Amino acid sequence: EIVLTQSPGTLSLSPGERATLSCRASQSVGSSYLAWYQQRPGQAPRLLIYGASSRATGIPDRFSGSGSGTDFTLTISRLEPEDFAVYYCQQYGSSPRTFGQGTKVEIK
Amino acid sequence: QVQLQESGPGLVKPSETLSLTCTVSGGSISNNYWSWIRQPPGKGLEWIGYIYYSGSTDYNPSLKSRVTISVDLSMNQFSLKLTSVTAADTAVYFCVLGWGYMDVWGMGTTVTVSS
Repeated sequence: EIVLTQSPGTLSLSPGERATLSCRASQSVGSSYLAWYQQRPGQAPRLLIYGASSRATGIPDRFSGSGSGTDFTLTISRLEPEDFAVYYCQQYGSSPRTFGQGTKVEIK
Repeated sequence: QVQLQESGPGLVKPSETLSLTCTVSGGSISNNYWSWIRQPPGKGLEWIGYIYYSGSTDYNPSLKSRVTISVDLSMNQFSLKLTSVTAADTAVYFCVLGWGYMDVWGMGTTVTVSS
């Protein structure tokens, strides 16, 4: 089973700032099969990025993903008020599918 | 746009079977993969398993002995059964379109295991 470790646990930033979230895998994620999700309180997660760097339908271009192998990054170029939420990475290169423990982006 | 809606009992007694159904609207259940994911209160996400419309499945080994996912093409629904539940199975359960990345999510339904 691939274990995903996200860092930091919490990121305290102000609107307009840049957010950089990390996801590290315990072994290489095949074919960059890595996704990112946003979850706001009381809501279901929403797909942001798949294939490590492809934005899902309707996702603003301030969200970008990068990385390969074992190290992946989600970048939010300029935080909007609605971006303060919890973000999860997930690998789908092997079974079982696994998620990171999440990074909370909170207002500073 | 596909929409998903979970339904089922919100309270299940320990040692009994949790049964949930996901109704798919706005699209056909055929030619797609469908997953179940859960989230215990205040915790992260756990993949339970998926089913292809043809009936083939894959389950999380941590739950495999207790999980069955099935599909009903005529009703455009798929279902989850989890046997011998304990308090550790208390969670929000999401049904999802996808088997790799999870494309479309239902709103989720809370299931509490308690006597």
